[in-house]
Amino acid sequence: EAGVTQSPTHLIKTRGQQATLRCSPISGHTSVYWYQQALGLGLQFLLWYDEGEERNRGNFPPRFSGRQFPNYSSELNVNALELEDSALYLCASSWTGRGNTEAFFGQGTRLTVV
Amino acid sequence: AQTVTQSQPEMSVQEAETVTLSCTYDTSESDYYLFWYKQPPSRQMILVIRQEAYKQQNATENRFSVNFQKAAKSFSLKISDSQLGDAAMYFCAYRTGTASKLTFGTGTRLQVTL
Repeated sequence: EAGVTQSPTHLIKTRGQQATLRCSPISGHTSVYWYQQALGLGLQFLLWYDEGEERNRGNFPPRFSGRQFPNYSSELNVNALELEDSALYLCASSWTGRGNTEAFFGQGTRLTVV
Repeated sequence: AQTVTQSQPEMSVQEAETVTLSCTYDTSESDYYLFWYKQPPSRQMILVIRQEAYKQQNATENRFSVNFQKAAKSFSLKISDSQLGDAAMYFCAYRTGTASKLTFGTGTRLQVTL
């Protein structure tokens, strides 16, 4: 069974541009989570999608947005890129429901803003 | 707001020895779950062990065990018979019972020496 897949693996953008990151959850998982992991910092929660709806949002500006498609894959968009947006972006998926369900992570997209 | 604190940025252990990583959390919830994730240089986050708050018995998974002190809001990870492959970043994480976002600590980098 395929795990959580993220694309691209690496992405280099210029300040002010837009970046689009993609995530395919494990088959059967309906919840997708996005996290930002800046160098030397922990994982900061960005967004949670479930059944196509945005369920929760972290403390990030509106230029961070996303969506979840009918097949439960998800896209994270970052507009008007700033240098401090350079980070590893991790996507995770899990079954909807109880909090004890394991969240499985992808290998991340390394976004570099120059 | 729920917070997770890992006070040890770095730890070192000799191969075959035992090491304990500390984690404290703050919550007003009664139904929650605690996790330890491992992030090796490959960046893939891997679940090491989980603990349900309603269970008094400490969770164990082979060489990994936790010391869960609910009243003190403490959740430490003990790694026995440390192996070179245990070298990684270890993150403590918290989640409420409603399958919401995972809240992570800032991580502890574990080095395993010969």
